Amino acid sequence: DTAVSQTPKYLVTQMGNDKSIKCEQNLGHDTMYWYKQDSKKFLKIMFSYNNKELIINETVPNRFSPKSPDKAHLNLHINSLELGDSAVYFCASSGRSGSYEQYFGPGTRLTVT
Amino acid sequence: EDKVVQSPLSLVVHEGDTVTLNCSYEVTNFRSLLWYKQEKKAPTFLFMLTSSGIEKKSGRLSSILDKKELSSILNITATQTGDSAIYLCAPTGGGSEKLVFGKGTKLTVNP
Repeated sequence: DTAVSQTPKYLVTQMGNDKSIKCEQNLGHDTMYWYKQDSKKFLKIMFSYNNKELIINETVPNRFSPKSPDKAHLNLHINSLELGDSAVYFCASSGRSGSYEQYFGPGTRLTVT
Repeated sequence: EDKVVQSPLSLVVHEGDTVTLNCSYEVTNFRSLLWYKQEKKAPTFLFMLTSSGIEKKSGRLSSILDKKELSSILNITATQTGDSAIYLCAPTGGGSEKLVFGKGTKLTVNP
């Protein structure tokens, strides 16, 4: 059984389009995260939700909007995609926020052309 | 601003060698430090360290935290080609206890 799953695994789209990435975890965790890993492999947190409530919102353009319909799901919607948005986006979850191990999804490789 | 520095950035060794990876950090509200291994896809959890001086061990891997020196090391003994990966260090920090990742150490183990 997949613990943290993301769809799609690959996403190729043109500049200006709007796209969504979905994440689901079946670990019963309360906290979910979105990370961006750039071409230099630097992994940086974007958002964190605890029980559907936003608790971390790093300096991310307004074009990125996370949505958590329930604590098992955290989706990421991106408007007006730009070339610089090309990266691998990882979803993760943990039993509690912050000081606990996070389990990562397989990643979504987004390529904006 | 929170800061995590890993060294070396890249390391190439032969199978059987022992390696030590370093991580130093400056984060506010430090609670714990986590190590992850990233091969081709998602980072996988290795260790979580909260107390200084207590070694955590899993097979050929071990890690220890030094809160006084604001650092941690990850040791891998008798390396194998399957250990080739990027090793990421991530202390918790910032007002929201978020993980702050270093840039990683890329380890290549040659046969």
